Amino acid sequence: DTGVSQNPRHKITKRGQNVTFRCDPISEHNRLYWYRQTLGQGPEFLTYFQNEAQLEKSRLLSDRFSAERPKGSFSTLEIQRTEQGDSAMYLCASSLRPSGETAEQFFGPGTRLTVL
Amino acid sequence: KQEVTQIPAALSVPEGENLVLNCSFTDSAIYNLQWFRQDPGKGLTSLLLIQSSQREQTSGRLNASLDKSSGRSTLYIAASQPGDSATYLCAVIGGSSNTGKLIFGQGTTLQVKP
Repeated sequence: DTGVSQNPRHKITKRGQNVTFRCDPISEHNRLYWYRQTLGQGPEFLTYFQNEAQLEKSRLLSDRFSAERPKGSFSTLEIQRTEQGDSAMYLCASSLRPSGETAEQFFGPGTRLTVL
Repeated sequence: KQEVTQIPAALSVPEGENLVLNCSFTDSAIYNLQWFRQDPGKGLTSLLLIQSSQREQTSGRLNASLDKSSGRSTLYIAASQPGDSATYLCAVIGGSSNTGKLIFGQGTTLQVKP
């Protein structure tokens, strides 16, 4: 499978626990994005990486959230001390940015987080 | 601040009908516009991408148009089928940023009845 993959697909946790999600982008893609989608809404941007550098973070990304892309390949998104308001679908996307232009983003299947 | 709006929020049509989904955005200075399909509980599937210099893109029964000056895009679906039932999202990359981050509308949920 050469698409974007995400693990786990579903995560149920209790309030206050820490969770970590993983995203594996399309192999040659240098940009990786994280989005969050709540029920009935469009996805909202959280953060993005170009290679291993995290270049922008949304104000939605509180200090309980941290993302890494240590070798410019896969990425992890960690949520510490989860709250019920963190319940959402977390989507990862990747793209190949050619010089001077933006490129099509390809999304993974998402990780559905439920905080009890 | 770029805002994206999709009308209608929901649409139900009989099989075989041609239909148009609408997307509007407030800042006309965009890099590109992308249309996605999302099935319930699933991720997003890219349908069409229109660069800011283009007016339309076509893929099979789908045709997307872009009018930057008026801040509008339409997705035309010809001869709709029950398998087209899904939520359709449009998203833009704003002109004030070159991060490539997508700004989404809330989507139009389409039901095609057999």
